[in-house]
Amino acid sequence: SYVLTQPPSVSVAPGQTARITCGGNNIGSKSVHWYQQKPGQAPVLVVYDDSDRPSGIPERFSGSNSGNTATLTISRVEAGDEADYYCQVWDSSSDHPGVFGTGTKVTVL
Amino acid sequence: EVQLVESGGGLVQPGGSLRLSCAASGFTFSSYEMNWVRQAPGKGLEWVSYISSSGSTIYYADSVKGRFTISRDNAKNSLYLQMNSLRAEDTAVYYCARDKTGYSSGWYRYFDLWGRGTLVTVSS
Repeated sequence: SYVLTQPPSVSVAPGQTARITCGGNNIGSKSVHWYQQKPGQAPVLVVYDDSDRPSGIPERFSGSNSGNTATLTISRVEAGDEADYYCQVWDSSSDHPGVFGTGTKVTVL
Repeated sequence: EVQLVESGGGLVQPGGSLRLSCAASGFTFSSYEMNWVRQAPGKGLEWVSYISSSGSTIYYADSVKGRFTISRDNAKNSLYLQMNSLRAEDTAVYYCARDKTGYSSGWYRYFDLWGRGTLVTVSS
């Protein structure tokens, strides 16, 4: 089955840029989606189809995807961005197509 | 208000059964595919199961295949997850999630609406 690998943690100072990677075999050929999850809350979609943002998500959240790595970038990081972030793909070639990344804890210093 | 509300979680012994429900409101439930996603305590998200809008297409994660059954009742705007032969490793918060489909270089799916989840604890 398809595997998505994320770094366990990323630390960033307020106002700086956080980059969260999501590695997978030829992931650039797939559409990648990103979710933010704060403690005790349900996940919230922040980026879909590599780089599109749902309504209500700040422009500070952006995404890219190429080769074997997809990246979620959070610019001008705020304290409220501290959360867990998960990438996700749908592997249509599989009988169990839903795949989430391992998750990354973003800490705002 | 557009929302999903899960129910049916609780404490169950290993080997037991439980049926989760997800009530949808504020949107045309019968037009959407749906999923169950779970999260074990302190762990990451794990996709569990998918069902098409008509119920004709279903997928399961290997970890639950043969033990869990997803179903829906479009007349009642409800999604279900029948869980049998439960194990300690099934302990998790179970979320229902609305599916959104698109096409770029291929078909893709993501989850644009989530419920708040219901906790299932499997323990003796």
